[in-house]
Amino acid sequence: QVQLVESGGGLVKPGGSLRLSCAASGFAVSDYYMSWVRQAPGKGLEWVSYISRTDYANYADSVKGRFTISRDSAKRSVYLQMNSLRAEDTAIYYCARYSGLNSQEFDYWGQGILVTVSS
Amino acid sequence: QSVLTQPPSASGTPGQRVAISCSGSSSSVARNPISWYQQLPGTTPKLLIYNNDERPSGVPDRFSGSKSATSASLAITGLQSDDEADYYCASWDDSLNGLLFGTGTKVTVL
Repeated sequence: QVQLVESGGGLVKPGGSLRLSCAASGFAVSDYYMSWVRQAPGKGLEWVSYISRTDYANYADSVKGRFTISRDSAKRSVYLQMNSLRAEDTAIYYCARYSGLNSQEFDYWGQGILVTVSS
Repeated sequence: QSVLTQPPSASGTPGQRVAISCSGSSSSVARNPISWYQQLPGTTPKLLIYNNDERPSGVPDRFSGSKSATSASLAITGLQSDDEADYYCASWDDSLNGLLFGTGTKVTVL
């Protein structure tokens, strides 16, 4: 069955970097648009980035120029490289799959991974 | 308006009907399909409604969605204690070229 498992979170100092990984099983990541969504403690959901089937990437203004999404189809994984981290980037980061071509909804989500940016 | 506005809270007694609104703009809700997500306490969001009014397999028909112009709505009929959760709408915004989530609504079953 479809499963998404995030890893790579943790505590990092402001200005630091972190790379999140999302391991997919039950489907090929090359066949779907994939996305990252985050949720600050006690707050709502915020879309972060997506990568298309042709590796086009798009980002929320809040992370543009600092975060990079990528995919390794052979490893069945999607990544989020996060640089120049700020306290406001502290959140649970979810990996999510778009349900199909031209769809705009997420049908599967990972369990989430916590990123804490603090000195 | 680069946000999707939802009421912060809604409540009802078991068996009642609760409706949650989602207000957007001409560049978001008016032009793009709406989806709705349910997030039970301490869990991952779950897709409830997509394409404005369609339910994924396994979602009870007590949940229904609708859209008109720049607003959308999620209705829960026959409210149950298990429905206590946060609910979020979502829509692409053509002006921002990004996905917007609503501000979220906490549903309480009294």
